[in-house]
Amino acid sequence: GAVVSQHPSRVICKSGTSVKIECRSLDFQATTMFWYRQFPKKSLMLMATSNEGSKATYEQGVEKDKFLINHASLTLSTLTVTSAHPEDSSFYICSARQEVDTEAFFGQGTRLTVV
Amino acid sequence: GENVEQHPSTLSVQEGDSAVIKCTYSDSASNYFPWYKQELGKRPQLIIDIRSNVGEKKDQRIAVTLNKTAKHFSLHITETQPEDSAVYFCAASKGGKLIFGQGTELSVKP
Repeated sequence: GAVVSQHPSRVICKSGTSVKIECRSLDFQATTMFWYRQFPKKSLMLMATSNEGSKATYEQGVEKDKFLINHASLTLSTLTVTSAHPEDSSFYICSARQEVDTEAFFGQGTRLTVV
Repeated sequence: GENVEQHPSTLSVQEGDSAVIKCTYSDSASNYFPWYKQELGKRPQLIIDIRSNVGEKKDQRIAVTLNKTAKHFSLHITETQPEDSAVYFCAASKGGKLIFGQGTELSVKP
């Protein structure tokens, strides 16, 4: 299958600082990328959907100004957690797909810890 | 918006038995239904998917059924093996979004 690479895999930051997470599709052009937050052992909560060259569509309850998403090219999307707080500590995972309603490939995820 | 409910949250079976996981979705316009398997510490991987114009799809020990009228779909794993132990997610997609169910932790006991 196609490869999606996410970096960093782990990051620890101080409260109040910002953190950027990258999601790259290595061998295909991703017209759509998804950002999820995954809770311990379980559910993938969709945060936002981004399409290359357009603004991300955020799910209800997700703060746009806090979770900045940029999808500037067909192979790269970034999630920036701004002014991070301890409650933002979580596992963030991206996925990407080439066409609508086809297989979405996942990155390896990023464990964010805010201290 | 779309909402996907998945049951059960945990499932324990004996090796060789069958396992069934069920999902319901809310948006009748959803037309693509993938199932993902996530092993501990690894990323989710697609195991099977089905589109709304098909009622059933099978791939070796894994099958998925879709009932569009009732808006539910199910994953069936036959002859389970210990390596089938993982968290399984169903999802529904309509156009842009891909919404996941809450996940089912499957444990296959040898």
